[in-house]
Amino acid sequence: GNSVTQMEGPVTLSEEAFLTINCTYTATGYPSLFWYVQYPGEGLQLLLKATKADDKGSNKGFEATYRKETTSFHLEKGSVQVSDSAVYFCALSDIRYGNKLVFGAGTILRVKS
Amino acid sequence: DAGVTQSPTHLIKTRGQQVTLRCSPKSGHDTVSWYQQALGQGPQFIFQYYEEEERQRGNFPDRFSGHQFPNYSSELNVNALLLGDSALYLCASSSLTEIGNQPQHFGDGTRLSIL
Repeated sequence: GNSVTQMEGPVTLSEEAFLTINCTYTATGYPSLFWYVQYPGEGLQLLLKATKADDKGSNKGFEATYRKETTSFHLEKGSVQVSDSAVYFCALSDIRYGNKLVFGAGTILRVKS
Repeated sequence: DAGVTQSPTHLIKTRGQQVTLRCSPKSGHDTVSWYQQALGQGPQFIFQYYEEEERQRGNFPDRFSGHQFPNYSSELNVNALLLGDSALYLCASSSLTEIGNQPQHFGDGTRLSIL
């Protein structure tokens, strides 16, 4: 079945550092890919998405590129802020299975001032 | 524009009891999905409702059941609660007409604790 693997955390960075969170996926079809963010005590918020190979999703300084050849969707940000501290989830959905989301385990990001 | 709303926010139950969680989808959305998020893990798909019927189901036992009402709101019922049912239960809504690449919108969840 479809699955998502994320790098383990926590990831601890200083403010203004460069961020990469790795995400790879396994899917038999052509899934859509998403990054969601979860702040403490809250639900999930969509951060960005990409629906086909070579698409780049971007939002709030974060970006990720759908790489079919490496089955990856790594999240990057050039300069993190303390307010970016949260849990980040990579996810996929496959139209053949409706739009249910398959999530990775999540990566905790801690940004120090 | 109200987003996805869930109630209650927190709930404490004991083993063997039954619980009902509620969800109102975002305006304009007709599909509701439920997810279970155990502590420190990613959400796991429970089931999805559209037109008052269960369309898809994840790998959860029959103790987990649901319902969707004509106004698209939904309930998640869990019977014979186990300690392992302690989790954050998330509701997500979407529009079936934009299936596949349409991101789901999530509520803030119900934190269920089983004693």
